[in-house]
Formats: sequence, structure tokens, C-alpha cells
Amino acid sequence: DARVTQTPRHKVTEMGQEVTMRCQPILGHNTVFWYRQTMMQGLELLAYFRNRAPLDDSGMPKDRFSAEMPDATLATLKIQPSEPRDSAVYFCASGPVTGLTADTQYFGPGTRLTVL
Amino acid sequence: AQSVTQLGSHVSVSEGALVLLRCNYSSSVPPYLFWYVQYPNQGLQLLLKYTSAATLVKGINGFEAEFKKSETSFHLTKPSAHMSDAAEYFCAVRRGYSSASKIIFGSGTRLSIRP
Repeated sequence: DARVTQTPRHKVTEMGQEVTMRCQPILGHNTVFWYRQTMMQGLELLAYFRNRAPLDDSGMPKDRFSAEMPDATLATLKIQPSEPRDSAVYFCASGPVTGLTADTQYFGPGTRLTVL
Repeated sequence: AQSVTQLGSHVSVSEGALVLLRCNYSSSVPPYLFWYVQYPNQGLQLLLKYTSAATLVKGINGFEAEFKKSETSFHLTKPSAHMSDAAEYFCAVRRGYSSASKIIFGSGTRLSIRP
């Protein structure tokens, strides 16, 4: 049963520290999405990639957030420096571009980030 | 621009009762519509999707949704609620078929089930 995996599942850090979240998309999926979920804002799209190239990162605060795909099996979301308002659950999702399920995104379990 | 509006941030029903979660969409082109479910401390899971093949869409766990273009609605229903249905439900819209297009999520509806 193929799944999107995310690490770490939980992260507590202090303001000003760098945070790196990792995502392993489902093998063969070539689109990857990063979402942030908070009580106040709900589910927000931060950035997404197709074939490792960023398609849209307009939802991401540019000054402190960065998203990359070093290779097809790893996507990273980095926050430097972190701030308390970044506390949220960050989800990664992946999807195929072609085939019967090309319209579906598959979500990972999320990384719960708390910035003190 | 595309968007979805979920009416009611919290819905509570008795076990065995009808579940109705409302979603209205706004789209300038034929939309692709989705319902996702999120159980506590988990990621989102696809319940069902509308991709223009049939207006009544059946999903997992006994849920179904009907696409009504005249009402711009895509409400989610289940005839008989079960305790395990307690979760948050998200309606979502996308412009294109491929997962390479952005999905816009609604604000979510938390479903509670009373014994």
C-alpha cells in the first residue's frame, strides 16, 4: 500500500531556529504539493512541483520559507528563521499526472510544528 | 477565480440519521470537485470526486454527492450516520483534470455523531 511519508511527525522548536520538513512522495508520482493547516486559516497551498520543478510557490512567505525537490523521492520545506506564527500542521501530497487517478492527490500524515 | 464555500463549520447528527454536508462552488469553467475527509491527527483522504462523467458520485464509506450545475452545489450525503464518520470534511475544486493543477479547499465542516 503506497503512501506519502513525512518526517518528522512532530517538531517543537524555539523562535529563530531553522526547521526542515521532509516528504517522500509515492513512487512514480511527479507532482508534489505542500499545504499548511491552521485553525484560523484552514488549509492553504504553499507550493507545488511538477517533475521536480516549482510550478507555483505564491502561497509561501518568500523571506523565510523555501521548498525544494533535490530528487524525485524527496521534497523539503524549510523555514529559516522560524516564528511562533508558523506553528501549524504541514501536509505534503503527491499525485500522478497521467493515468486513471491523475486527478487525485494523496496526502501524507503531516508534520505538526510548534514554534515557541 | 475558483472557490468553494462550505455552509456550516460544525454539523451534529444522531447515529443512524441522515448526514448532509453542504458545498457550493464558484467556477468559470466546468469544475472538477472533490470531497476529502480528515480523521483526527491524520492527513486528508479522498472520499469521492466529480469529473463530469456522472452527476451522482458514489464514494467510500457509504457517502455520495450530487453535482447540480443549476445550483452550483456539490453536497455530500450519507443515509445513515455511524460513529466512525466523526471527522472533518473538506470540499475542494480544481480547474483542470490533472493533479498538476491547484486544488482550492473549503474551510471544512466538522461532523459530530451523537450516540
